[in-house]
Amino acid sequence: AQSVTQLDSQVPVFEEAPVELRCNYSSSVSVYLFWYVQYPNQGLQLLLKYLSGSTLVKGINGFEAEFNKSQTSFHLRKPSVHISDTAEYFCAVSEGGAQKLVFGQGTRLTINP
Amino acid sequence: ETGVTQTPRHLVMGMTNKKSLKCEQHLGHNAMYWYKQSAKKPLELMFVYNFKEQTENNSVPSRFSPECPNSSHLFLHLHTLQPEDSALYLCASSQDRATDTQYFGPGTRLTVL
Repeated sequence: AQSVTQLDSQVPVFEEAPVELRCNYSSSVSVYLFWYVQYPNQGLQLLLKYLSGSTLVKGINGFEAEFNKSQTSFHLRKPSVHISDTAEYFCAVSEGGAQKLVFGQGTRLTINP
Repeated sequence: ETGVTQTPRHLVMGMTNKKSLKCEQHLGHNAMYWYKQSAKKPLELMFVYNFKEQTENNSVPSRFSPECPNSSHLFLHLHTLQPEDSALYLCASSQDRATDTQYFGPGTRLTVL
């Protein structure tokens, strides 16, 4: 069965510093990979997704992620964060063409001034 | 209204009550989803509907009863819930392929006393 592990439950970062949020998954078949963001008191919003092709995926708000099949990872990065990036970030995977998304536990990103 | 809306935003109910959560999508999508977001567990898929037909039930207890009268509306009927059912219930919609982005509503915060 597929699973998603987000290695850090909380990541504190100073404003304008770079950040990496880690995500590893387990699956025996081809997968689609997603990163969602949840701002306080809101639903989830898609940041980016990997379906096929180039392993480097660019998303909204300056975020990007790299799919690494050999390491079964899909880490999210941003070169310079802003206070407005404070939110919870979720990695998700769908396996074998299924609509079912399996989510990680989430990483709470806190930006300090 | 645009996007995915959910009502009510907050609900407090006793264990013997019957209540319903409502979700409406204004995106012309064919698939709708219920997710449960608890404090201590990853976001969990509960149900998937495609073209009004249920295509996924993720071993959800029968005290949760979904209803999808058309592709734009989704309900979750609740009865004899337990305190551990307290959570944020999120509705989402998408087109009907695994590659399609799921768009989430803001959620209903449910407290069971």
